[in-house]
Amino acid sequence: QITLKESGPTLVKPTQTLTLTCTFSGFSLSTSGVGVGWIRQPPGKALEWLALIYWNDDKRYSPSLKSRLTITKDTSKNQVVLTMTNMDPVDTATYYCAHRLSSSWSIWGQGTLVTVSS
Amino acid sequence: QPVLTQPPSASASLGASVTLTCTLSSGYSNYKVDWYQQRPGKGPRFVMRVGTGGIVGSKGDGIPDRFSVLGSGLNRYLTIKNIQEEDESDYHCGADHGSGSNFVWVFGGGTKLTVL
Repeated sequence: QITLKESGPTLVKPTQTLTLTCTFSGFSLSTSGVGVGWIRQPPGKALEWLALIYWNDDKRYSPSLKSRLTITKDTSKNQVVLTMTNMDPVDTATYYCAHRLSSSWSIWGQGTLVTVSS
Repeated sequence: QPVLTQPPSASASLGASVTLTCTLSSGYSNYKVDWYQQRPGKGPRFVMRVGTGGIVGSKGDGIPDRFSVLGSGLNRYLTIKNIQEEDESDYHCGADHGSGSNFVWVFGGGTKLTVL
């Protein structure tokens, strides 16, 4: 059974850097074709894809946020980390990590709400 | 990259059927689209992928047979028959575009389905 869980701060100040960790089980990020991504959802708004990392350490970023995002993996710990710099109140959202296989987001975490406020 | 358009809301009575629509922007009629269900307060759940030939691959885990998809032109449809209370959710469509450094994943605005 595949599970993913997001963790990180619930409150960050404007201009700070956000670091989120996705801890997963039930699959290995060293298996060919597997990826883990991050998607966010501001309150009452649409989903927005942020970043994706593959088993071979190939990385993809949303063009509109690329300059602020870094995604990394620690295969031995079954974790994927997303950092987002220069946080702003508009970045307030629930952040999800998801398992990617065969081009779909097959399993999602429960999400973690991050509020950006001074 | 494609733009995916969804009506913001839909409703159907208990036991009835409803069809939700995701419309791709012009020029992307050959694109496959994923459907995701998001129950209140929960993370999204993969439903299934659809192209112009219908379902692509398998349904997500635990998705009942009442859920089906069709694709025609720029439209990708999700039909739910014999609607149950647990089907009241937000439904999102999404698609990938490009490859390599040009890869992007785009979502529609989502449709809130209310069960009457």
